[in-house]
Amino acid sequence: EVQVLESGGGLVQPGGSLRLSCAASGFTFSHYAMTWVRQAPGKGLEWVSLLSGSGGDTYYADSVKGRFTISRDNSKNTLYLQMNSLRTEDTAVYYCAQVRGIWTFDYWGQGTLVTVSS
Amino acid sequence: QSALTQPASVSGSPGQSITISCTGTNSDVGGYNYVSWYQQHPGKAPKLIIYEVSNRPSGVSNRFSGSKSGNTASLTISGLQAEDEADYYCGSYTSRSTLDFGTGTKVTVL
Repeated sequence: EVQVLESGGGLVQPGGSLRLSCAASGFTFSHYAMTWVRQAPGKGLEWVSLLSGSGGDTYYADSVKGRFTISRDNSKNTLYLQMNSLRTEDTAVYYCAQVRGIWTFDYWGQGTLVTVSS
Repeated sequence: QSALTQPASVSGSPGQSITISCTGTNSDVGGYNYVSWYQQHPGKAPKLIIYEVSNRPSGVSNRFSGSKSGNTASLTISGLQAEDEADYYCGSYTSRSTLDFGTGTKVTVL
């Protein structure tokens, strides 16, 4: 059974940093691209970043480019999102998901809440 | 990124069919057959229900179907059931190598 489980969310002050993790199981992790998607409270979905299976290709939304870094450790079946220079508008539930085919997000975790507030 | 345009809400009675539209541009919906649809119940993670315009993942009811014409993709739910009440989002690959989601549609079963 495919499972992805996010962790690392919490309360952080504006300008601070946080690293999210996403532990995957039930599939050959290195064979799949992975992605982060966020959802601000009461709002819609916003794609954040995507990383190829090998880790060689990265993609970012304009809203996070230069502040967030996506990475993975295929030996640990884990995806990461390093978030720096956080802003109040980054407050959201962050989901990770397995990428199926071309930019289709198949299996999603339950999300981890990031709150940026002073 | 610009969000794709969806109606804010759509409603229907049990057993009826409803259609949700997702309008983009030649740079996203109209340019690629990489449109997907996601269902999200309150407090839950999104679930993939349609990928590459019209394909259903295994385990998804055949009451859900997708199509595309020009810059507009559509999701049709036939034989509407109470469990279909949820938020629905389209998503499309774009020419900028990004993913745009739609604005979201709340489906209400009357």
